[in-house]
Parts: sequence; C-alpha cells; structure tokens
Amino acid sequence: KNQVEQSPQSLIILEGKNCTLQCNYTVSPFSNLRWYKQDTGRGPVSLTIMTFSENTKSNGRYTATLDADTKQSSLHITASQLSDSASYICVVRPIGGSYIPTFGRGTSLIVHP
Amino acid sequence: GAGVSQSPSNKVTEKGKDVELRCDPISGHTALYWYRQSLGQGLEFLIYFQGNSAPDKSGLPSDRFSAERTGGSVSTLTIQRTQQEDSAVYLCASCPGALEIYEQYFGPGTRLTVT
Repeated sequence: KNQVEQSPQSLIILEGKNCTLQCNYTVSPFSNLRWYKQDTGRGPVSLTIMTFSENTKSNGRYTATLDADTKQSSLHITASQLSDSASYICVVRPIGGSYIPTFGRGTSLIVHP
Repeated sequence: GAGVSQSPSNKVTEKGKDVELRCDPISGHTALYWYRQSLGQGLEFLIYFQGNSAPDKSGLPSDRFSAERTGGSVSTLTIQRTQQEDSAVYLCASCPGALEIYEQYFGPGTRLTVT
C-alpha cells in the first residue's frame, strides 16, 4: 500500500529560526512529490514540486530536497516568520494508473514571536 | 482569475439528515477531486472526475456518499442520512487535466458538523 509518513507531527519554533520537516514515502512507481502549505481554515497551496530526476527545489525561504533512492524528502524553512505557522503536507503521486495522490498527515508548525 | 470555490463554508446538521456540498472548479479545469480531512488525519480521497469519463468512486466510504459533476463544471457531493463520523472538512480540488504533473488547486473547504 502506498504510504507517506511525515515527521515531526508538530513543531514550535521562535521567529527567525530555521526548521526542517521530513517526509518518507513508499509510493512506487514515483512521478512527483509536492509540498503543500495549509493555513488554518484554508485549502492547501502548493509550495514546491520535484520529479524523480530533481533533488532540490526552492521557493523563496522554502527549500525542498528529494532522495529518490531512499524515498525521503525534506522541507527546510529559513528565517521563519509568523506567517509560516501552518500545516505542511507532503503529497506523492504515482506514475500512470491511479490518478490519486497519497497525502501525508502533515506537520503542524507554530512560529512564536 | 477566480480560484476554486466551495459552499457552504460551514454546515451544521442533525444526525440522519441529508446534506449537499457544492464545488465550483477553476474554469477550464477538466479534473476534479473530492477529499475529506478529519482532525489530525491526512486528506482522504473520496471521488475523482476527469472530463466525460466515468468517475473514480473508489474512495467513497459508503453508499450514503455520492457525487455528480454537471456539464463538466460544478460538482455536488451528497451525504445521505448523515452520521456523527461524517463530521470533517470536505475539500474540493481541480486540475487542468489528468497528467500527474498538474498541480491540484484546492478550495477553502466545507466544515461539516453532524450533531
């Protein structure tokens, strides 16, 4: 069964600090991996996408990495801001066949002033 | 342009009642997904529409759940005889097409509370 596991489940950091969120997956064959940010009461919004051949992708202060051999991804947030407080969700899509992506449960990040 | 919209934003209903949740996808997007998000859980796939193809209903948890998409645009998710375990946020997402590389654009969700 395709699975996506995220850690930690929740994280509290001080404004200005960096943090790294982890995602392990078993989805195979693998097409792409996205990180989404979901603010409270809103739908998820895509931050980055990486395909099999990519191992890093940046979007401002967000940098995602991918190791397709170990099936691991991370999302690094630099110089955190209060507005980074949200749930970060790792989503993996298989190649062909099922069009259904597999979602992780998310990491809840709280940034304190 | 306008994003994905969903209505109502909140719905409180009594156990046993039927509810209808509406999704207006981005214009021109041929693919549409419904998900359920319970507290502390990942998004749970419910149903997928792609163009004029038969929908993928493999995620619907019971025959109390059904969905339709009229004219390839607006979609309605119907839950009959609601139960307390149906309480969750129901999210709709649309995509430009069926390719795996396409981004899903999500609506704000409908929070359903069954009392």
